[in-house]
Amino acid sequence: AQSVTQPDIHITVSEGASLELRCNYSYGATPYLFWYVQSPGQGLQLLLKYFSGDTLVQGIKGFEAEFKRSQSSFNLRKPSVHWSDAAEYFCAVGARAAGNKLTFGGGTRVLVKP
Amino acid sequence: GAVVSQHPSWVICKSGTSVKIECRSLDFQATTMFWYRQFPKQSLMLMATSNEGSKATYEQGVEKDKFLINHASLTLSTLTVTSAHPEDSSFYICSAEQGSSYNEQFFGPGTRLTVL
Repeated sequence: AQSVTQPDIHITVSEGASLELRCNYSYGATPYLFWYVQSPGQGLQLLLKYFSGDTLVQGIKGFEAEFKRSQSSFNLRKPSVHWSDAAEYFCAVGARAAGNKLTFGGGTRVLVKP
Repeated sequence: GAVVSQHPSWVICKSGTSVKIECRSLDFQATTMFWYRQFPKQSLMLMATSNEGSKATYEQGVEKDKFLINHASLTLSTLTVTSAHPEDSSFYICSAEQGSSYNEQFFGPGTRLTVL
């Protein structure tokens, strides 16, 4: 079975500072990895995804993530956060062998200080 | 492109009544749709996988007789919460997958259900 862990429940960062959100997964084969963002009361927006190839993935809104197989990690980064980046962030893992179902991490809530 | 809508966006109902939530893929055909449930300040939990023209596949612990899913066309899936109770109050989110090969899931905006 696949599982996803986001160790940080809350992160507070100052506007303009860098941000890194951690994600660790457990799966026997190479998974498909995703990062989603959710604003309060809203659905999910895809930030970026990794299926194969280059392990450094660029996404929307200035986000990037790096797949590290040896560490079973897919951490999300942004060099300089904006107040509008305050939201809940979810890492998810999927796999064709699992019927393309997504398993989500617990989420990390990001607060941005002025 | 790849827009998924849900209707209604929020609903309040009395205990014991049934509520239907619609999930539509607006500009693509979705062979597979997924239904998730999200409690406040928690993550999304997959409830069921819905394939057009066939019975839904429910995750362990999800009551199929309580959460009826119908995927009658390639653009519409419905979730009916039957005999709703306050503990069914939650945020329900659907997603749709385009095509038959692995693709990203496109998520709807969610439906907030409150059962009084």
